[in-house]
Amino acid sequence: AIQMTQSPSSLSASVGDRVTITCRASQGIRDDLGWFQQKPGKAPKLLIYSASSLQSGVPSRFSGSGSGTDFTLTISSLQPEDFATYYCLQDYNHPLTFGGGTKVEIK
Amino acid sequence: EVQLLESGGGLVQPGVSLRLSCAASGFTFSSYAMSWVRQAPGKGLEWVSGISATADSTYYADSVKGRFTISRDNSKNTLYLQVNSLRAEDTAVYHCVKMLGDSVYYTLDVWGQGTTVTVSS
Repeated sequence: AIQMTQSPSSLSASVGDRVTITCRASQGIRDDLGWFQQKPGKAPKLLIYSASSLQSGVPSRFSGSGSGTDFTLTISSLQPEDFATYYCLQDYNHPLTFGGGTKVEIK
Repeated sequence: EVQLLESGGGLVQPGVSLRLSCAASGFTFSSYAMSWVRQAPGKGLEWVSGISATADSTYYADSVKGRFTISRDNSKNTLYLQVNSLRAEDTAVYHCVKMLGDSVYYTLDVWGQGTTVTVSS
């Protein structure tokens, strides 16, 4: 199975900060990567698919980049509602595998 | 609006079986692949199983292969997960997830709130 290594596992940031989360695949996965946001007690929400495509209804401050093995999720200006845990997911092959998650906390 | 409503979870002893169900509405169910994803208490997300729109392809995580069976009834807009030989490590919230396309090679899209399975003696 493809291993997805996400970093950092947690970070503290302030409203207005630029935040970057990275995900590395154990082998090349083209651009078959999605990013999800999960708030406590809630189901995850798709933010980005195909590495860089913004899902409908997701604010434009979220962006994704990368291909092959290295990927990045960027929040250009962190908002109060963005404090959550973020996960990457490879859909290049089965079994689908998630990164370990990044918890974004308020500084 | 897409809605996914899971049911069938509960507190069970090790070794028993359950059938989880997911009632879908708000989209053309028969046109989309579906998956089950679980989350153990305080842990990350784990993809469990996926099925194509026409049910001709199914996939499983190694941790559940041979014990879990995914199926769907497109006439009833319902997804199922038969979970057998339950273990303590299967304790989790099980989410039903609509995928972005008809094959299991798309990413996950809309998630249900989940049904909780607790395996304990």
